Amino acid sequence: EAQVTQNPRYLITVTGKKLTVTCSQNMNHEYMSWYRQDPGLGLRQIYYSMNVEVTDKGDVPEGYKVSRKEKRNFPLILESPSPNQTSLYFCASSLLGGGNEKLFFGSGTQLSVL
Amino acid sequence: SQQGEEDPQALSIQEGENATMNCSYKTSINNLQWYRQNSGRGLVHLILIRSNEREKHSGRLRVTLDTSKKSSSLLITASRAADTASYFCATGKNSGGYQKVTFGIGTKLQVIP
Repeated sequence: EAQVTQNPRYLITVTGKKLTVTCSQNMNHEYMSWYRQDPGLGLRQIYYSMNVEVTDKGDVPEGYKVSRKEKRNFPLILESPSPNQTSLYFCASSLLGGGNEKLFFGSGTQLSVL
Repeated sequence: SQQGEEDPQALSIQEGENATMNCSYKTSINNLQWYRQNSGRGLVHLILIRSNEREKHSGRLRVTLDTSKKSSSLLITASRAADTASYFCATGKNSGGYQKVTFGIGTKLQVIP
């Protein structure tokens, strides 16, 4: 089944403790992206990747890192999480990241930073 | 930064009624997409309409796009309780070799059985 898999589904951590949220897709998509969703703000893009070893900042990249060493995986790294990073995070992918493509989303990771 | 703004932010209707959600945006776009999100879950793509199209249908969904007014609407006909979800419009715009997709805040639809 074609899907985007995120783990974990829920994560509670404390300020400053490094964490990684994993994202994997099995559709051989070139393009992958991370979003965060906050009440009243909708989804905002954090980082995106057009291909292996090619990543770029989205609208709200501060406090986050990503890597794209393999086409299928696009982990999101919070090196020193802070409470304002408490949010619902989504990974998404599409075939090439080009025009008129739909995005496929993972099920989300609810992160709480205490 | 939000490109699309949905209206209304919340909508409650009876099963069988039609639901209309609107989306307005600020700059030129290449396409506009609608996504659905069941409570706290991932978004699911519903329909994409290109900037040179005016109307598109998919099952009980009808989407219109008016580029002169920079607005779109999503109509769900004969709504069902299972349509209860949040609906997001997302504008697609070519930017530096890729399509930047920007989401609105969403409309929360409740369909009462």
